[in-house]
Amino acid sequence: TQLLEQSPQFLSIQEGENLTVYCNSSSVFSSLQWYRQEPGEGPVLLVTVVTGGEVKKLKRLTFQFGDARKDSSLHITAAQPGDTGLYLCAGGTQWGSNYKLTFGKGTLLTVNP
Amino acid sequence: DAGVIQSPRHEVTEMGQEVTLRCKPISGHNSLFWYRQTMMRGLELLIYFNNNVPIDDSGMPEDRFSAKMPNASFSTLKIQPSEPRDSAVYFCASSPGERSPLHFGNGTRLTVT
Repeated sequence: TQLLEQSPQFLSIQEGENLTVYCNSSSVFSSLQWYRQEPGEGPVLLVTVVTGGEVKKLKRLTFQFGDARKDSSLHITAAQPGDTGLYLCAGGTQWGSNYKLTFGKGTLLTVNP
Repeated sequence: DAGVIQSPRHEVTEMGQEVTLRCKPISGHNSLFWYRQTMMRGLELLIYFNNNVPIDDSGMPEDRFSAKMPNASFSTLKIQPSEPRDSAVYFCASSPGERSPLHFGNGTRLTVT
């Protein structure tokens, strides 16, 4: 079973601060996706990274895929209350035409005004 | 696009009763996933369908759980008999294919008393 460990599990910060959350595994993934989930809703995709060492930016969010494609990080600059939510990483496994995602347990981020 | 539609949104039932959860994926998506989310275990993949065929059901907890996808626009997850430990939020997600993002429904919150 492929496991994804996310850290920290909980994070509470003040508006304007920077933060980084981590996603680690002993397994190699063909791709890695980050999702954000709000209460009462399903997760929504933020980004997909597929190449080892890849860096993607989405406004104040920076995503990095490790060189060995086993780990990833999400950095948020100048966090805002609207960034509050559960951040989930998911590793992709592909075989033939089949593809599935294994999720970490998530980091619950609270940004206080 | 109405997105992935799940019903019911909430289900409260007594131990031993049969529970059926329903999902309508996004039209044109050929992959469908059932996940279960709890605080303790996070988001767990229960079963994955590709072109209506079950590909990976290794996450189905036990024989009390069964899933069907009779056509491309409908899937069900059935629990019979239900137990209190089945209480969780059950998500259905669909995807157009390899490395594509998963589109989640808003989930069914199941409470078994």
